[in-house]
Order: sequence, then structure tokens, then C-alpha cells
Amino acid sequence: SQQGEEDPQALSIQEGENATMNCSYKTSINNLQWYRQNSGRGLVHLILIRSNEREKHSGRLRVTLDTSKKSSSLLITASRAADTASYFCATLGGTDKLIFGTGTRLQVFP
Amino acid sequence: DGGITQSPKYLFRKEGQNVTLSCEQNLNHDAMYWYRQDPGQGLRLIYYSQIVNDFQKGDIAEGYSVSREKKESFPLTVTSAQKNPTAFYLCASSAGIRYGYTFGSGTRLTVV
Repeated sequence: SQQGEEDPQALSIQEGENATMNCSYKTSINNLQWYRQNSGRGLVHLILIRSNEREKHSGRLRVTLDTSKKSSSLLITASRAADTASYFCATLGGTDKLIFGTGTRLQVFP
Repeated sequence: DGGITQSPKYLFRKEGQNVTLSCEQNLNHDAMYWYRQDPGQGLRLIYYSQIVNDFQKGDIAEGYSVSREKKESFPLTVTSAQKNPTAFYLCASSAGIRYGYTFGSGTRLTVV
């Protein structure tokens, strides 16, 4: 079963623009994580935000979490062509297993 | 360097055959996971193991089997009972709930 739903499903922007992806989930969580996947490759962990945190930064990435709305957003600032990939949110609830959303495909044009 | 190794990268299976996908990690992680990825459907959990000699079914375990005889290894067998096995299979490991998962590079299985 999918826990998270990402929005939009696909996003196309120019280099230098910011990219924002949203994730909604259904049940209470321990933490929420964002991953990146280049085409045909494994996933790479980007950032983890705990349920008692509201915002977290890592380089050009900014993640917010609103547990009252069961939603999170990932902002990539000053996008580069190399940021082209699929991005997934994943939630960790009461058991030690991540449940992934359906992903957002980001295309950054040079 | 520590990481997860999945092999083979590509695998072709004939109808009625069982095939085994390898997953090995040298990260000293206790927990390991198998996910299946189909186009447009994200990742779905097949099996997971939090300790040696123990494993649990995920959301789509039917037609699959696993073993966890060593901490480093978590092989997945796709049996002939799995009617639609063509997919991208990803193995992952974790040091615990406060940490992200480390993924392998995946095995693409195709039924011929």
C-alpha cells in the first residue's frame, strides 16, 4: 500500500529556477524522508525530518513538515540540469519499514 | 567503501523458472529490505528482515521467498508462483529508525 502521494507527478523547469514538490500521507509518522532516483538506478537518501521538526535544510534542499495537515514539501533552490531525477517521499510509522509515495519526476532544462 | 551490492544487474527468466536475486551489504546494518518498482507505482515492500534468521512479509510477498542466514546477505527468490515478475527490484538496508535507507543499484528482471 502507498502511504504518500506526491504532487505534482511531473515538473519541468529551467536551470536556476526553484522546484517545489509536495507529499501528503495518511497515518501518524515517526519521521519522513526524501529520496532521489536517477533513471534506472537505486534510490539515494536526501534528507530525514522527524515528526517533532518543522523545517530542515541541507545544501540547496529545504524540507518542511506539517503533521497537522499530514504533509511535507521539498524545495530545491537554484536547480541544475543534474537535478533531473524522480523524487520520492517515504514515511516511517510504528514499524521499522518505510512506505514510499509514487514520486515526482523533475526535468530541469539547461 | 561500504555499500550494498545487488547482482545481477539484468536477469531474464523463462516462464515457470525460479530465479534468485542477490543482495549483499558491508555496512553492518541489522535491517534489510526488498522492494519492487513498477513504472508509475513507486516502491512496494516485498519482504524485510530486522535481524538474522528472522524476516516478515511486506505488502506484496506472494510469489516471493527470502532467507537471512547471514547479517550481510538477504537473497530474494522470485518463484514460478509470481505471475507478473517483470519489474525493477531494489534491496536496501538500514542502521535503525533514525537513519535513512541505503539502496543497491537494482536488478531488472524480465520474463521471456
